[in-house]
Amino acid sequence: DQQVKQNSPSLSVQEGRISILNCDYTNSMFDYFLWYKKYPAEGPTFLISISSIKDKNEDGRFTVFLNKSAKHLSLHIVPSQPGDSAVYFCAASDPGGFKTIFGAGTRLFVKA
Amino acid sequence: DTEVTQTPKHLVMGMTNKKSLKCEQHMGHRAMYWYKQKAKKPPELMFVYSYEKLSINESVPSRFSPECPNSSLLNLHLHALQPEDSALYLCASSQVRHYNEQFFGPGTRLTVL
Repeated sequence: DQQVKQNSPSLSVQEGRISILNCDYTNSMFDYFLWYKKYPAEGPTFLISISSIKDKNEDGRFTVFLNKSAKHLSLHIVPSQPGDSAVYFCAASDPGGFKTIFGAGTRLFVKA
Repeated sequence: DTEVTQTPKHLVMGMTNKKSLKCEQHMGHRAMYWYKQKAKKPPELMFVYSYEKLSINESVPSRFSPECPNSSLLNLHLHALQPEDSALYLCASSQVRHYNEQFFGPGTRLTVL
C-alpha cells in the first residue's frame, strides 16, 4: 500500500514555462513533506520542504503547496530550465521519527 | 564537505558470496540510513542508525547485516543474497534533529547472479 503517490511517471515542459509536479498521500499523521531531485548516477538531493502547519513554502524558482484537506501537495517550478530535467521524488514523514516515505518519482523533461 | 560517498559503485556477486557495501560522511551527522531502490520504484528504508546504534530495522532479512563502526562510517554486509535482492542501495545521513533532510550518496548498483 503506497502511502505517498506520484501518479504521473513523466512530465514534459517547454523552457521558461511552469512545471507542476503533483503528489498525494494517504496517512493523515504525516506532518512534514519534502521534494528531492535526482540526476542519473547520483543520489537524491533535498530540494524544498514544507511543514503541515503551512500551506506554502517558496525558495527561488521552487514553490511547494500543501492542501491538507485533500492530502495533496504540489511542486511548482517557474520558470523551468533545461537543467531542471531530473526525477523528482515527493516524500513524507510522521512525528514518530526517522522514517521518510518516498513516492515513485516523476521524470521531468524541460525542452529548450 | 557535504558529500556522502559510497563504495563500490557497482557490485556483481553470486548467491554464495559475502561482500560489503561502504558508506562514509564527514558532515558530523549522527543519523545514517540504508535504502533499497528497485527500478521505477521509490527508495525503501531498510535500516536507521542514530548515534551509532541501530534504531530502525524495517524487517529486513538477516542476509543483510548493517554495521556502524563509528559516526562517519556505515557498512552493509551481504551474505547468501538472492537474485531479487538486485537493486540500487542508497546510503543517506542527516542531523538527528533534522532527520527529514537527508543527504544521499550516489548508491551502489548491486547485481546478484
